[in-house]
Formats: sequence, structure tokens, C-alpha cells
Amino acid sequence: QVQLQQWGAGLLKPSETLSLTCGIFNGSFSDYYWSWIRQPPGKGLEWIGAINYSGTTNHNPSLKSRITMSVDTSRNQFSLKLTSLTAADTAFYFCAREDNSGYPAFDVWGQGAMVTVSS
Amino acid sequence: EIVLTQSPGTLSLSPGERATLSCRASQRVSSYYLAWYQQKPGQAPRLLIYGASNRATGIPDRFSGSGSGTDFTLTISRLEPEDFAVFYCQHYATSPGYTFGRGTKLEIK
Repeated sequence: QVQLQQWGAGLLKPSETLSLTCGIFNGSFSDYYWSWIRQPPGKGLEWIGAINYSGTTNHNPSLKSRITMSVDTSRNQFSLKLTSLTAADTAFYFCAREDNSGYPAFDVWGQGAMVTVSS
Repeated sequence: EIVLTQSPGTLSLSPGERATLSCRASQRVSSYYLAWYQQKPGQAPRLLIYGASNRATGIPDRFSGSGSGTDFTLTISRLEPEDFAVFYCQHYATSPGYTFGRGTKLEIK
């Protein structure tokens, strides 16, 4: 059963860069798009962007200028960097797999990582 | 950009009752691109329904999705204690990608 495990820094200062990584275990890396989704505490979900095995990316237009996504195929990992952080970026950050049946939805999720931006 | 409006914001019901959750899109969308998730406190969301009416793997048949055009519904036929959570609908478009509704909290009455 495929599992996603994510890690990265939890407490950052304004203007710093967030860096998160998601590892894929017991499943194929190459057959899917892999997304990042965030959720401010007590609020709803916001899609950040997606990347596939080849490094092709799609971004939320509202965040595109601050996002960098990458893949490490040798380690079955993908990563997110979000620059110029503000308090508004404080959120739980999830990695997720996009279902490859053709229906756009997220069928496997990481456990989430809380990122707090505070001076 | 398509906006998804979920109602009600909070739904208070008892175990055994039927729950009906609404997701309304600001313009017509294809059912193909509409999904529903359940999220419990401290957990990641779980995919319930994709393509508006298809149950995801392992989802009990008391969960069903329906609708078309601008109006979509998630129905839980007979509530179990473990069903109480927050539910989100989600849409996909080429741009801006994935968007979510603000959620409906289903709480025990």
C-alpha cells in the first residue's frame, strides 16, 4: 500500500524560504502527478501545485511566482520551496497523489506538516 | 475562476439519520471534475467520491454522490459515529487547477 511521508522545517521567519520534501513508499513514482496542498489552521484547503516524474509542473497562479518544485527520482521524493514567507503562509502542508484513473482527485495523502511563520 | 459554495456550513444530526451536503459551483462544470473528501481533526483529507458519483476504494456504500451542472450533493444514507467530520468538495480546471469549497462541518446533535 503506497504511503507518503513528508518532512521539513516547522518554524520560519518572515521573508525566509519554506522547504518541504515528500517521500513515496511502496508505490510507483513515475505514473502520477504529485501535489502540494495547504490548510491554514481551522480553515479550508488550497492547492499549491503539482509535479510529475519528468519534472513537469502545474501551479496555482496565486502562488506561482514564489513556488519551486522538484523531483529526486533516485530517492522517490519530490520537494517544495516557497519563498518570501509571511504570516499568511502559516498552515498545515500536505503532499498528495493525483489519481491516475483520469478523474482529477487526490487518492493518497501524506500526514501533513505544520509550518509556522512568525518573527 | 469557478467558486464552490458548500452548504450548510454546519449540519447537526444524530447517528442513524441521513445527511445531505450541498456543493454549488458558480458556473456549470463537468461532473468528471468534481470530488468529495472527508477530514477528521488532526488528519489529512480522505477521498470519498470522484467524478461526482464514483466511490473511492474502500468507501462504504452509505456514502453516495450525485448532481450535475452547478449543483452537486454528497449523501450519507445512515450516519455512523465515525462519519462526523468536515467535508469538502473539489473541482479541477486547467487554470487555476484544483479548487476547494470551504467545507461543511457535520457534527453530532
